Amino acid sequence: EDKVVQSPLSLVVHEGDTVTLNCSYEVTNFRSLLWYKQEKKAPTFLFMLTSSGIEKKSGRLSSILDKKELSSILNITATQTGDSAIYLCAVEAGGYQKVTFGTGTKLQVIP
Amino acid sequence: NAGVTQTPKFRVLKTGQSMTLLCAQDMNHEYMYWYRQDPGMGLRLIHYSVGEGTTAKGEVPDGYNVSRLKKQNFLLGLESAAPSQTSVYFCASSYSTPGGEAFFGQGTRLTVV
Repeated sequence: EDKVVQSPLSLVVHEGDTVTLNCSYEVTNFRSLLWYKQEKKAPTFLFMLTSSGIEKKSGRLSSILDKKELSSILNITATQTGDSAIYLCAVEAGGYQKVTFGTGTKLQVIP
Repeated sequence: NAGVTQTPKFRVLKTGQSMTLLCAQDMNHEYMYWYRQDPGMGLRLIHYSVGEGTTAKGEVPDGYNVSRLKKQNFLLGLESAAPSQTSVYFCASSYSTPGGEAFFGQGTRLTVV
């Protein structure tokens, strides 16, 4: 059974701090890893990482895929209160349409 | 710029009642999905569709049925609601397989009493 584990489960930081969120996976026939941000409602796409694209960056957010360690990290630098959200990691693997989500990391950024 | 729209946003059902959740997307996506999100469980795939007229089971399909009669719409039905189906339901669509970016609706909070 495919597994995606995120850590920590929750995190409270002050504005301006840098945070690192972790995602590890055990899947058969890995295809891609995706990060989503979920504020009050719908998850919104952040990054997709594959064997051919193991590092992505957008503004203060960046993500790296470590295929050897079967994991990924999401870094957020100079955090802002608007970064407060649940960050979801998802892995596509194996057969058609098989995507497994982690339970998420809840980030709270306080002023 | 609607994207993915779900209706209704909230619903309370009594055990045994039936209902249909509607998902509509205006991005001409082939792929559509229904997920449920429960505390501590993450998002779990209920059913999905790879095109008009096609549907398939996901990870937790029991107690649900779906239909995709039109490319832009994906319906999720509960024939006889149970308290275990209390959850937040998300519809999503994508241009290609889930390995690409998926667009999510705003969710439907369903409570079965």
